[in-house]
Amino acid sequence: DADVTQTPRNRITKTGKRIMLECSQTKGHDRMYWYRQDPGLGLRLIYYSFDVKDINKGEISDGYSVSRQAQAKFSLSLESAIPNQTALYFCATSDVWEQFFGPGTRLTVL
Amino acid sequence: KQEVTQIPAALSVPEGENLVLNCSFTDSAIYNLQWFRQDPGKGLTSLLLIQSSQREQTSGRLNASLDKSSGRSTLYIAASQPGDSATYLCAVNRDDKIIFGKGTRLHILP
Repeated sequence: DADVTQTPRNRITKTGKRIMLECSQTKGHDRMYWYRQDPGLGLRLIYYSFDVKDINKGEISDGYSVSRQAQAKFSLSLESAIPNQTALYFCATSDVWEQFFGPGTRLTVL
Repeated sequence: KQEVTQIPAALSVPEGENLVLNCSFTDSAIYNLQWFRQDPGKGLTSLLLIQSSQREQTSGRLNASLDKSSGRSTLYIAASQPGDSATYLCAVNRDDKIIFGKGTRLHILP
């Protein structure tokens, strides 16, 4: 089984809808991250969490929120999706030094 | 503000050739540098991690070097194969913030 899993893998939604992307990990890491990837812009950090009680904004947090339900679970929400949030979203975990990525969620907002 | 640059953005080479991918960063005070591989539409796979105290790391046909003083890292791929075709990203870690380059898209010609 994969160490970092993301659900759903693909999602098409409409403008204004609330969307939740989920991430689970079995690596036992405290640190978890959400990134989005856009062509030409690379990977950008949305939110990160160093433990269950710690949540930090990244470079592009506007329009997003997160919840760290447990050490192994970190979810990303789009409260009211808009078309420019169409992107590939990645969850990652870290043991302080090395990052491990999930397979990604391709989100399309129409 | 840390900036990470990867040049060239794209590279095509014949199979069997040795090649070098470049990564430069503006702030030399980093904890470590990590090289990733990404296949189209897929997640990131960690290739090599170099701690700030190290000069290089090797894994199979891959060798990564780090020169903190000049803000540069290289990824050397020996005897390239068509299966090496992918996008290669470098990321630097400083103060628990990980900044990615935009990647080099590598195409190995059979």
